[in-house]
Amino acid sequence: TQLLEQSPQFLSIQEGENLTVYCNSSSVFSSLQWYRQEPGEGPVLLVTVVTGGEVKKLKRLTFQFGDARKDSSLHITAAQTGDTGLYLCAGADAGGTSYGKLTFGQGTILTVHP
Amino acid sequence: KAGVTQTPRYLIKTRGQQVTLSCSPISGHRSVSWYQQTPGQGLQFLFEYFSETQRNKGNFPGRFSGRQFSNSRSEMNVSTLELGDSALYLCASSLVGTGGYEQFFGPGTRLTVL
Repeated sequence: TQLLEQSPQFLSIQEGENLTVYCNSSSVFSSLQWYRQEPGEGPVLLVTVVTGGEVKKLKRLTFQFGDARKDSSLHITAAQTGDTGLYLCAGADAGGTSYGKLTFGQGTILTVHP
Repeated sequence: KAGVTQTPRYLIKTRGQQVTLSCSPISGHRSVSWYQQTPGQGLQFLFEYFSETQRNKGNFPGRFSGRQFSNSRSEMNVSTLELGDSALYLCASSLVGTGGYEQFFGPGTRLTVL
């Protein structure tokens, strides 16, 4: 059974601060996706990383996929109140037979205070 | 391009009843996955359908079932509802559901079992 350990579970910061969320596993993933979810809504895809060592930037958000494709991080620079939400990492099985199944981390609830 | 749609958005049922949830994927997407999201367990994979065939199933009892139609629309059914079935049920679609695929989620159906 694949597991994704996401940390921290909760993050409460002031506007303007930087933060990093981590996603770790002992399993290899063919890709890893980061989502943001608002209360009562479905997760919205932020980015997909596929290649080991890959770094992707989305405005103030920087995503990195580990060289061995087992871990990933999300770094937010100068957080804004609009960044508040639940952040989820999810991995697609590299085995090739786990069709349509993403393994999700437990999520990080980020609160950015003005 | 329209996103993933789910109906209904909210449902209230009583124990012992059954319920059917519907999902329409993004146009052109042939893989539909279903997830259950609860505060305690996070997002857990239920099953995946591709070309009207169930290719993958998570660890849920047989009371949870689904199907996919020729137009890729999917339904899931939960029979003999239990209090613990109260959750946000999410549907996600992707092009083929294998490899480094991306999944796009609908807004979810909030099921409350009384």
